[in-house]
Amino acid sequence: NAGVMQNPRHLVRRRGQEARLRCSPMKGHSHVYWYRQLPEEGLKFMVYLQKENIIDESGMPKERFSAEFPKEGPSILRIQQVVRGDSAAYFCASSPGQGGGNTIYFGEGSWLTVV
Amino acid sequence: KQEVTQIPAALSVPEGENLVLNCSFTDSAIYNLQWFRQDPGKGLTSLLLIQSSQREQTSGRLNASLDKSSGRSTLYIAASQPGDSATYLCAVRTQGGSEKLVFGKGTKLTVNP
Repeated sequence: NAGVMQNPRHLVRRRGQEARLRCSPMKGHSHVYWYRQLPEEGLKFMVYLQKENIIDESGMPKERFSAEFPKEGPSILRIQQVVRGDSAAYFCASSPGQGGGNTIYFGEGSWLTVV
Repeated sequence: KQEVTQIPAALSVPEGENLVLNCSFTDSAIYNLQWFRQDPGKGLTSLLLIQSSQREQTSGRLNASLDKSSGRSTLYIAASQPGDSATYLCAVRTQGGSEKLVFGKGTKLTVNP
């Protein structure tokens, strides 16, 4: 059973371009979380999605950032008009469901560099 | 709002020393607490997961304890080795709402040969 797959692993974008980060959850998992890790910081929650629904986006910046988890295909974190401050590692995690008995598994991360 | 604090932010020890990393959290309504290891430029490696009903978990030279009522956890590393050098992150899984993991900022450990 493959783990949580994220791609690209490394992405370089110029200021003003768009960045798209993809996350394929573990097989059978319908819950996806996105986290951002700024340099020398811990992971900060961004958004929690279930299939076709955004459940909690309280950690998502109000502008330029969006996330989706369609019925088919991976979850996408989209950053429009990137700025240097968006440079960070973005981690995706998945879970089969809610409740403490369901462990959250993390992907290897996508490192975004804005030049 | 759940907040997780890790002390110290950085720690440097000689090889062979036993050490303790500390984690505290403000809201005891958690499902579990997890310790992760992160190497520079890498992803997260889960070390130990303690359910809220448990007091401790052990794996090899690692032992993690949980005192939910006081909002504290410790990660004990015995006989430290240079290969243990990494950042150690503590995270709690909140009850209710999105049940997300809330992370501390981590403790950066350096074990000197």
